[in-house]
Amino acid sequence: GDSVTQMEGPVTLSEEAFLTINCTYTATGYPSLFWYVQYPGEGLQLLLKATKADDKGSNKGFEATYRKETTSFHLEKGSVQVSDSAVYFCALKDSGGYQKVTFGTGTKLQVIP
Amino acid sequence: GAVVSQHPSWVICKSGTSVKIECRSLDFQATTMFWYRQFPKQSLMLMATSNEGSKATYEQGVEKDKFLINHASLTLSTLTVTSAHPEDSSFYICSARRVIVGVNTEAFFGQGTRLTVV
Repeated sequence: GDSVTQMEGPVTLSEEAFLTINCTYTATGYPSLFWYVQYPGEGLQLLLKATKADDKGSNKGFEATYRKETTSFHLEKGSVQVSDSAVYFCALKDSGGYQKVTFGTGTKLQVIP
Repeated sequence: GAVVSQHPSWVICKSGTSVKIECRSLDFQATTMFWYRQFPKQSLMLMATSNEGSKATYEQGVEKDKFLINHASLTLSTLTVTSAHPEDSSFYICSARRVIVGVNTEAFFGQGTRLTVV
């Protein structure tokens, strides 16, 4: 079945540091890929997405590129802020009938001033 | 984006009682809703998929008699945790999507419900 593997956290960075959170996936067909963010005490929010190979999703300074050859969708940001502290989930949505979403285990990011 | 409202956002109940969680799509008709459970420091695990007007499809290992799911209308699905026990304490979150065959529609998430069973 489908699976998503992301780097374990927590990740602790200083403000303005460069962020990379690795994500690789296993899926049949042509899945869509997502990054969701969960701030403390809140639900999930869609951060960015890519629906086909070589697409780049971007939002709020974050970006990720759908790499079919390496089955990866790594999240990057050039300069993190304290307000980016949250848990980040990589996810894929299969192309089947119900378009089921499979999540990675989440990576907690803590940005310190 | 579309809005999915989940209620309550948190609830504390006594062991042995039942708790109902509602998930509403406020500005679109959700033919399919998904219920997830998130254990501390773990990812979201899909519990079941519910389609309006039909029985929910449960993932392996999820007790359908314990976690009752009803999707009676295109804007409302409910999850009832029956005879709750402390091990049912968790963060439950729903997702709603208007499923169109062949169209890549986005899923929208509720804000989640923190259930604590004492």
